[in-house]
Amino acid sequence: SQKIEQNSEALNIQEGKTATLTCNYTNYSPAYLQWYRQDPGRGPVFLLLIRENEKEKRKERLKVTFDTTLKQSLFHITASQPADSATYLCALQMDTGRRALTFGSGTRLQVQP
Amino acid sequence: KAGVTQTPRYLIKTRGQQVTLSCSPISGHRSVSWYQQTPGQGLQFLFEYFSETQRNKGNFPGRFSGRQFSNSRSEMNVSTLELGDSALYLCASSEGATNTGELFFGEGSRLTVL
Repeated sequence: SQKIEQNSEALNIQEGKTATLTCNYTNYSPAYLQWYRQDPGRGPVFLLLIRENEKEKRKERLKVTFDTTLKQSLFHITASQPADSATYLCALQMDTGRRALTFGSGTRLQVQP
Repeated sequence: KAGVTQTPRYLIKTRGQQVTLSCSPISGHRSVSWYQQTPGQGLQFLFEYFSETQRNKGNFPGRFSGRQFSNSRSEMNVSTLELGDSALYLCASSEGATNTGELFFGEGSRLTVL
């Protein structure tokens, strides 16, 4: 069956450290993978998009890797801050013809000061 | 630029009733998507509209429907409400010129079915 798995347990780290979040999927062949941030009671906010032929993407303190062989994406936040505390969602887009995104359940990140 | 606006933000209905939710996309965006978010199932795709046409549809029963108007505003309707329809309904807009790129989400409409 098709699955997208993100760490269901919260990730607690100290301020200044690098947070690494994992997104694993099975029986999907996504053309694109996106990461979103969601705060309680708010809608998700787009962070990064990476294509299947890209290995890595960076934006400021954020880095995303995409390994289509392992069927895994890693999302890194360097020099983390308490303001980075939120739930992070990965989302797969299967092909350019379908706009629908398939979301993982999200990982809650808590950055301790 | 104003963001995606959803109304109402909160509503309570009883089983068997119907509900209509509204979404105003970012100015210039022609694609509107709808998602349902529940604690158990997470975010699930409902449908996407582009230039008043449904472009994609998720795996939801026919009780869930939507439409898009010529000004890109969109509505979704759920008929014969069930307890399991209680959820946060999120609307997202995008420029829609291509089928990739980021989605801009609204704050959602939280529906409670009693």
